[in-house]
Amino acid sequence: SQQGEEDPQALSIQEGENATMNCSYKTSINNLQWYRQNSGRGLVHLILIRSNEREKHSGRLRVTLDTSKKSSSLLITASRAADTASYFCATDDGGAQKLVFGQGTRLTINP
Amino acid sequence: DAGVIQSPRHEVTEMGQEVTLRCKPISGHNSLFWYRQTMMRGLELLIYFNNNVPIDDSGMPEDRFSAKMPNASFSTLKIQPSEPRDSAVYFCASRAGTSDYNEQFFGPGTRLTVL
Repeated sequence: SQQGEEDPQALSIQEGENATMNCSYKTSINNLQWYRQNSGRGLVHLILIRSNEREKHSGRLRVTLDTSKKSSSLLITASRAADTASYFCATDDGGAQKLVFGQGTRLTINP
Repeated sequence: DAGVIQSPRHEVTEMGQEVTLRCKPISGHNSLFWYRQTMMRGLELLIYFNNNVPIDDSGMPEDRFSAKMPNASFSTLKIQPSEPRDSAVYFCASRAGTSDYNEQFFGPGTRLTVL
């Protein structure tokens, strides 16, 4: 079952600009995670936000969570060419021990 | 640490052949996951193990797919017989502990092409 849905599906911006990606989900969650996937590679964990947290920072990443709207956003500030990748949100599917991934946002940073 | 190791990295086979994908999780990790990624369906969880025991195989598409984890350091995903629609990238991931608060570490994937 599809739990997280990312928006937009694709995003293209200039280097140095900020990139914002959104994720919506359907059921109650314990936590939400964001992963990055470079072309031809496996996914890499970026950040986890718990259901009782509203905002979390990690370097140039800022994640917000609104459980009332069942949505999350990932902000990448001062983007770099190396940030070009697909970004996925993943939720715990209502407390199960597994993650359910969205379809991802394909981010392109133009030099 | 070498991370999650998958082999082979690429596999091209003909319809009807048996395919075996292999995974070595990160040492000490308790959970292991098999995913399939395609453009059409995205990233799908096929099966996962906790402490070598299969917990949820509801994502396994059909009886042609089977997975085993004979010990904590090795798992296989087998497709027999393979079909062209099985073409995808198959990822293995492992996780320390069994809590979903822990991150998953992904291998580089096996790109399977069934002709």
